[in-house]
Order: sequence, then structure tokens, then C-alpha cells
Amino acid sequence: VMTQSPATLSVFPGERATLSCRASRSVSSNLAWYQQKPGQAPRLLIYGASTRATGIPARFSGSGSGTEFTLTISSLQSEDFAVYYCQQYNNWPPYTFGQGTKLEIK
Amino acid sequence: QLQLQESGPRLVKPSGTLSLTCTVSGGSISTPDYYWGWIRQPPGKGLEWIGNIYYSETTYYNTSLKTRVTVSVDTSKNQFSLKLTSVTAADTAMYFCAGIPVATNRNWFDPWGQGTLVTVSS
Repeated sequence: VMTQSPATLSVFPGERATLSCRASRSVSSNLAWYQQKPGQAPRLLIYGASTRATGIPARFSGSGSGTEFTLTISSLQSEDFAVYYCQQYNNWPPYTFGQGTKLEIK
Repeated sequence: QLQLQESGPRLVKPSGTLSLTCTVSGGSISTPDYYWGWIRQPPGKGLEWIGNIYYSETTYYNTSLKTRVTVSVDTSKNQFSLKLTSVTAADTAMYFCAGIPVATNRNWFDPWGQGTLVTVSS
């Protein structure tokens, strides 16, 4: 089971956002982060817990291993307000997603 | 660059069968480098993996749906498909198809199709 916190995070533009994802058992570094905007498919941001996908800005960074993971977005831009999901691919099937963190403008 | 596009009926009657197709462009579905998968998202809720298929027709299913799901591949059309039987209102969701790299420890979902909303209603 993947558990994300908080469910909703309110942050001012330009500030830093820190999102958490916890696995019920170790997933090593086999964790991905996705961003989803309304009416769109999820977009891969981070894989391998800390590697940015192609075209992802450097303000997005991931860290962690085992059971505790963090997605950090430095200096939030207006286009960053969205829902973020973590997903483990260490112990599959099944692939499992967190329930999501909604990042909203404060 | 791989691109995926879902297609199929947007409205399905209760107890009926949901059928969707994903067309892959920009590459061959017969590549040994990718699994092809389905994920769904009920309105306002999170993401649920449904199942994967490899070009060799090896399949993997979420056990929560396994008795009702079939994923198949048509290499001649560069398409893979989802069938979900005995649907109820709980199966109303946005359905996404996606490519999943095969290599060990690289099994994230990328790319994704744009998704298609399927509603179960009489």
C-alpha cells in the first residue's frame, strides 16, 4: 500500500512544496511520481525515486528509498498546481499508486 | 516517439461488457521493450492498474478485476484491447492506456494515452 501525505497542500506561488509518499514495505528505489491536471492523463515526472523524466524542469526533485519518499517542487509556478501521485513498481503485479496529493494555490 | 490513443464506446449498460482499444503509433507494438497496460480512474478518485500485456500475449492482471478482465493484442493493427465484463456503475471511470518499459526496475507508465471516459448506465 502506498500512502501519500498530505491529501491537500496549499502553497503560495514561488514557495517550496514538499510531498510525501510512504510504502507499506520496501520498494527499493522503484518509485515514480506523476503530475495530473484536470482532464489530462498523468505525466511522468520522476522515476527511480530521483531521476527526472525527459523535459521535466529542474525545480522538480525526488528523494528517498525503501519506504519513505519525497517530491519537492522548489519555487512553485502557476502550472505546477495539480494532483501528484506516487507509484511503486518494485513488487508487481500489482502496480500500486498512492491516493494522490492535491497541490493548490494559497 | 510513441503515442497512444484510446477508442471505444463511451456508454455501456449495466451487466454489459466494456470494450476499449488502444492504438499505438510511432513504434511497433511488437517491440520487446514495452508492456502495454490499462489504468482507470473513477471520477474524482485515484488511479487503479487494470492489467498489462506483452506482444507475446503474456498477460498480468490486477487480482481485484481478474475474473472480469481480458487484455489482448493485435500486432497486425498495432493495437491492444481491454474487455471488462459484468460492469456496474462502479466501473464508470476514465480509462487510460499506457506503455511500460520491460527492463527490470524500469516499469513505470510512460507514455499515456489521453484517456476516454466510460459511463455505465442504462
